[in-house]
Amino acid sequence: DVKVTQSSRYLVKRTGEKVFLECVQDMDHENMFWYRQDPGLGLRLIYFSYDVKMKEKGDIPEGYSVSREKKERFSLILESTSTNQTSMYLCASSFSALEQVSLSNQPQHFGDGTRLSIL
Amino acid sequence: DAKTTQPPSMDCAEGRAANLPCNHSTISGNEYVYWYRQIHSQGPQYIIHGLKNNETNEMASLIITEDRKSSTLILPHATLRDTAVYYCIVTTYKLSFGAGTTVTVRA
Repeated sequence: DVKVTQSSRYLVKRTGEKVFLECVQDMDHENMFWYRQDPGLGLRLIYFSYDVKMKEKGDIPEGYSVSREKKERFSLILESTSTNQTSMYLCASSFSALEQVSLSNQPQHFGDGTRLSIL
Repeated sequence: DAKTTQPPSMDCAEGRAANLPCNHSTISGNEYVYWYRQIHSQGPQYIIHGLKNNETNEMASLIITEDRKSSTLILPHATLRDTAVYYCIVTTYKLSFGAGTTVTVRA
């Protein structure tokens, strides 16, 4: 079974702090994704990566950055947190070929999420 | 990505089949139909996906109409552990969950 592990289930930080959310997958997947999930807004893509050191912006990248130095690990960085970044953050991974169109036939597998509260 | 329409909720008796409908009339030719579910406080769980043929795996069956404008997820023998929010998504790769269908399996 695919295992996607997020470093923390719950996190409480203060506004202006720098936050790192870590995600590790054990299936040698090329693609990794960061989403946030909010009541009434559903699931939204922040960033994704299709290879080591490669990244692409999703729908809501503002206020976030990412790092992928190793294939199995994808980090989401909140440089200076604000209260509107309080959310459930979900990491996912999928197997893929090299071209973006091939992403469509590969299911994404999720971790259990990090519930981040910014005070 | 195309928009989907799902009923907000449905009940199902334990041991019976649960049929979850989804409308996606604006689906384009390269978009797949994906189903995920989410149990409270957990990450989404992948169930099944398909392009135009019906699909079956150990969890469920997916029936896609010939014109691809709608689909049905079938849980063949619902158990209490199948109580969750079920999301139907049509996409090339980017997942975007709406409200989904809250399925309650009753003993």
